[in-house]
Amino acid sequence: QVQLVESGGGVVQPGRSLRLSCAASGFTFSTFGMHWVRQAPGKGLEWVALIWYDGSNTYYADSVKGRFTISRDNSKNTVYLQMNSLRAEDSAVYYCARDLWGGDPNWFDPWGRGTLVTVSS
Amino acid sequence: EIVLTQSPATLSLSPGERATLSCRASQSVSSYLAWYQQKPGQPPRLLIYDASNRATGIPARFSASGSGTDFTLTISSLEPEDFALYYCQQRSNWPPFTFGPGTKVDLK
Repeated sequence: QVQLVESGGGVVQPGRSLRLSCAASGFTFSTFGMHWVRQAPGKGLEWVALIWYDGSNTYYADSVKGRFTISRDNSKNTVYLQMNSLRAEDSAVYYCARDLWGGDPNWFDPWGRGTLVTVSS
Repeated sequence: EIVLTQSPATLSLSPGERATLSCRASQSVSSYLAWYQQKPGQPPRLLIYDASNRATGIPARFSASGSGTDFTLTISSLEPEDFALYYCQQRSNWPPFTFGPGTKVDLK
């Protein structure tokens, strides 16, 4: 079955960096766009970044543009989120999610269980 | 950026009752709207995409309608497992993909 497993979260000081990973299985990874979506504690959902199925295009929320980088390794069925210059307001559960169908970006399904990032001194 | 608003913020109902949730967009999103369900400690789950299409495995008691700026999610008869948070999301004009603030369906 389709599975997404995030890792790499933890506690980090403001200004430092962290890299999240999302390992995918159960589908042809190289044919689906992938997203990162975050949820601050007790808050709603915020889309963070998108990478095209072949890595040719990436897009970011304004709140992370210039600080976060999404990438993927289709040989390892993994998508990454490199987070630099972290701020307290970046503290959240970070979910990776797959496009519902291949091709142009569409809906988020399925989702991983998330990894918690806490930015605190 | 397209802003989505959801109403009500909280809906207090009993099992067996009908739930009607609303999502309004700041500008037309055509039919590019989805609904997600989230339970505590779990990731969101896609319920509805393209305004009215149920995702795989979603029970028929969930239905949705709308186009343009006004959308509705209806749960015809609430089951105990339906008490959760519901978010709408648009992909008409991206980036960014935007979500509504959510409606909580809780037990009356």
